[in-house]
Amino acid sequence: AQSVTQLDSQVPVFEEAPVELRCNYSSSVSVYLFWYVQYPNQGLQLLLKYLSGSTLVKGINGFEAEFNKSQTSFHLRKPSVHISDTAEYFCAVSGGSNYKLTFGKGTLLTVNP
Amino acid sequence: DVKVTQSSRYLVKRTGEKVFLECVQDMDHENMFWYRQDPGLGLRLIYFSYDVKMKEKGDIPEGYSVSREKKERFSLILESASTNQTSMYLCASSYPGTSGRNEQFFGPGTRLTVL
Repeated sequence: AQSVTQLDSQVPVFEEAPVELRCNYSSSVSVYLFWYVQYPNQGLQLLLKYLSGSTLVKGINGFEAEFNKSQTSFHLRKPSVHISDTAEYFCAVSGGSNYKLTFGKGTLLTVNP
Repeated sequence: DVKVTQSSRYLVKRTGEKVFLECVQDMDHENMFWYRQDPGLGLRLIYFSYDVKMKEKGDIPEGYSVSREKKERFSLILESASTNQTSMYLCASSYPGTSGRNEQFFGPGTRLTVL
């Protein structure tokens, strides 16, 4: 069985500040990791994914994430946020032959002027 | 680009009504999913389908059923809507095989209110 823990339910930051959204997972098999973003009243959009290879993954809108197998983490970072980054962010994991995704409960990022 | 569409963005129904939520994808994906999203609970899987006429229960199937008569279309049915089914409903699809490792593509969501 797999599980995902997003350690912060809400993260308020000021515009142009750096941000890190934390995600830890547990799994007994090799994992594939995803970050999705959801803007208000919209569906989920893929930000980035880790399937294999380089542990530093770059995504859209200037976001990146680092896969750390020893710490079972996949934290999302952006060096300088904009007001338009205000959204809810979901970490998800899949693995093995199971084609389902297991989602974390989400982190609401609020960027203030 | 993959496109997943849902029949309604907003829907208001009365308690006891039968409700149909429709989802269509245009990328010939084998797998389709229905989730509900509630504040503080994240996404919870209701049902998924891995082929036409094939379905499996997710984590919270009670009060729901599904239908998949064609590959591109996956319907969620609330047989007798209740107020505790007021929620955001999200449809998603994914392709089989290992290249995408189960990446899912989401529709815009249907916000259902049951009065």
